[in-house]
Parts: sequence; C-alpha cells; structure tokens
Amino acid sequence: KAGVTQTPRYLIKTRGQQVTLSCSPISGHRSVSWYQQTPGQGLQFLFEYFSETQRNKGNFPGRFSGRQFSNSRSEMNVSTLELGDSALYLCASSLFQGWTGELFFGEGSRLTVL
Amino acid sequence: AQKITQTQPGMFVQEKEAVTLDCTYDTSDPSYGLFWYKQPSSGEMIFLIYQGSYDQQNATEGRYSLNFQKARKSANLVISASQLGDSAMYFCAMSVDSNYQLIWGAGTKLIIKP
Repeated sequence: KAGVTQTPRYLIKTRGQQVTLSCSPISGHRSVSWYQQTPGQGLQFLFEYFSETQRNKGNFPGRFSGRQFSNSRSEMNVSTLELGDSALYLCASSLFQGWTGELFFGEGSRLTVL
Repeated sequence: AQKITQTQPGMFVQEKEAVTLDCTYDTSDPSYGLFWYKQPSSGEMIFLIYQGSYDQQNATEGRYSLNFQKARKSANLVISASQLGDSAMYFCAMSVDSNYQLIWGAGTKLIIKP
C-alpha cells in the first residue's frame, strides 16, 4: 500500500514569507504527527493530530500551526519565516493516537529560507 | 526531564561485522517505549525495532536486536552481519505514556566499508 506522502519535497522561501506543507498518511491511519529536523537541534516534535483535533503540541512559537482534514490528510503552516526555520519537516502517521509502536514516516519536505 | 543520549556521532565498520550503536535514556515514567530508526540520505525515517519498558525479552527483528538493560537505562542497537546498505544515520527515540511524542537522540552516522 502507498506510504506517507509529503509535498512539496523541496522548497525555497525568503524571510517573512509563509509556507504550507502537506502530508497524506497511509490509508486508514488517523494520527498524523510532525517533526522538525535541523543539524543544530536535531529532531523535535511539532504537533500531533488525531481525528481532526490537535492532541499534543511541542515547544514551538505560534508561527507554526497545522490542521487535519476529515480524510486524515494534514497540513502545517509556518508564517513569517525566519532563517532558523530552514529544516527537514517530517510527517509520520499511525493507526492510533499517539504511539503504539511503529510510526510510518514520509520522506520529508526540505525547506530553505533565504 | 526525558532525554535520549547517543554518544557516538559516527562509526566506521567493516562489511559483515556486527555493529553496536549506543543509546541511553532518562525518564522517571515507569511506562515507556524505545525505538530505533534508520534515516538514509533520502531523508525518510525507517522503523527498525521497538522495546517496551515492561517487555521481559530483548526485541529482535531480523538482523536487528535491541540490547535492553533497564537498570543501566540503555537500549543499544545491535546489527549483525552488516551490509553496505546499512550505511545511514541511526536514531534512538523514546516515548512515554504520559506524553504522545517521540524524544530523539542526536543520531549516529554509520558507514559500512567494503
């Protein structure tokens, strides 16, 4: 079956712009979580959605937001981009809320902010 | 505070040799899970193995095994008979029942030499 799909794979933005990233989970998976990966900070949890509700949020400023649609697809948005937002953004899906074992990850969206 | 520590930034190993990647964790929560993921250069996180805090036996998945030493708070990954395709970043991660998110180590870059 199809894996987790993230779009776009690569994008370049300038400071002050905003960006929207998309994640389509594995069919039947209702939980989607987002992670930011940078060389300096490593992997950090952004937020998790289950049944269109944000269930958990990491320690990121309000510029980072997300949502989940009724078909479980999720988007995350970053407004007023800063240079430090340059990162690989990974989306993961699972059957149930939170973790019960294996999370399935997409290949990520690599954002460069100039 | 919950924390994962991977003390080996990088490792070179000869093909067909066994590899041990170190991981120590810190949590006061009695119920937690420990994960190992592999991240090739493509960026996708690939689940390798999982160990629950109450599991009595060490987890094994094919060539991967997890050496779980609860008293030492360590969860080392052992790869038997390494292959060139094992070259990648390896991340240890933890989740606790009280918080539905993964906490990640800094990763170990493994390079398998032919």
